[in-house]
Amino acid sequence: EVQLVESGGGLVQPGRSLKLSCVASGFTFSNYGMNWIRQAPGKGLEWVAYISSGSSYIYYAETVKGRFTISRDNAKNTLYLQMTSLRSEDTALYYCARNIAYWGQGVMVTVSS
Amino acid sequence: EIVLTQSPTTMAASPGEKVTITCRASSSVSYMHWFQQKSGTSPKPWIYDTSKLASGVPDRFSGSGSGTSYSLTISSMEAEDAATYYCLQRSSYPLTFGSGTKLEIK
Repeated sequence: EVQLVESGGGLVQPGRSLKLSCVASGFTFSNYGMNWIRQAPGKGLEWVAYISSGSSYIYYAETVKGRFTISRDNAKNTLYLQMTSLRSEDTALYYCARNIAYWGQGVMVTVSS
Repeated sequence: EIVLTQSPTTMAASPGEKVTITCRASSSVSYMHWFQQKSGTSPKPWIYDTSKLASGVPDRFSGSGSGTSYSLTISSMEAEDAATYYCLQRSSYPLTFGSGTKLEIK
């Protein structure tokens, strides 16, 4: 069974940093591209970033480019999202997703002073 | 960036009623994908590659379209279909979602 478990969320002040993790199980992690997708409270879905299976291809939404970094460790079956210079508008539930077929339960990030 | 415009934003349908949700793209895309989300849960893949139903999706659902115009149709509305539906294009980066259609049961 495919499982994706996010962690690392919490309350952080504007301008600070936070690193999210997503541990994958139930499939060969190194074979799949991965995405981060977020959903602000009461709002729709917003794609954040993508990383290919071997990290050769990486793409970001314009809203996070230059502030967020997606990475992965295939030996640890783990996907990461390093978030810096956080803003109130980054407040959201962050999901990791295997391509678009499997999603985790999400981890909440709240940016507030 | 390809902008996806979904309509309607909200709607209510009676049991047995036919429902159609549309998604229009600002540029041509190869396929459209659809997700269902119920309150407090993660989005579920519902229809992929325009017309293929994800595992477990009832066959009263169907998807169609091409180019810049796509749709999700429910042939006969049931109470369990009440949810928010999102379209997604992954033909080019950045991936983009429609703004969602909240479907309620009358």
